[in-house]
Amino acid sequence: GIQVEQSPPDLILQEGANSTLRCNFSDSVNNLQWFHQNPWGQLINLFYIPSGTKQNGRLSATTVATERYSLLYISSSQTTDSGVYFCAVPGQGNLIFGKGTKLSVKP
Amino acid sequence: DAGITQSPRHKVTETGTPVTLRCHQTENHRYMYWYRQDPGHGLRLIHYSYGVKDTDKGEVSDGYSVSRSKTEDFLLTLESATSSQTSVYFCAIRTGTGNEQFFGPGTRLTVL
Repeated sequence: GIQVEQSPPDLILQEGANSTLRCNFSDSVNNLQWFHQNPWGQLINLFYIPSGTKQNGRLSATTVATERYSLLYISSSQTTDSGVYFCAVPGQGNLIFGKGTKLSVKP
Repeated sequence: DAGITQSPRHKVTETGTPVTLRCHQTENHRYMYWYRQDPGHGLRLIHYSYGVKDTDKGEVSDGYSVSRSKTEDFLLTLESATSSQTSVYFCAIRTGTGNEQFFGPGTRLTVL
């Protein structure tokens, strides 16, 4: 089945810094989602982005489907950005998740 | 917020007891899913439903059963809980367009 790999696995930032998270997938997909799991465990939808670029405030995402990767950009990070960021692609009726990037933003 | 609630939110039970988790949605979505989340494994699909009384197995379905007698409710049952089923369980729905999924708040289950 399709494999999803995220990098880096862990990231520590100072508040105000920018970061780029990467998601690679092993086969062609027709959509991709980014989620933020906050420290309370809630999974929050960030982007549904089959291709191209989308922006939402300080966050933006780009998916290059032909090259099988997606990037999530976080600018001017805040402590509330801490948590785990997952990307996920469709499998056999479900979503296949990467193992996530754990982000810690220090004040 | 996709109108998804899960109950209970936390449960502690003993090995061998039956447990039922409930997922409730308010927006009439056809597809509903149960995932479990464990350290080192991410989220894995247990079962899903594509309509009332229509369900199918996922990657980690052993030891679990599901039922969907009405559109808004999707139940996950552990017939005889084991310690390996200690996990966080998430319910999800899929919107009608594309395959975007939204998740409920999760249920933390501990089997002693």
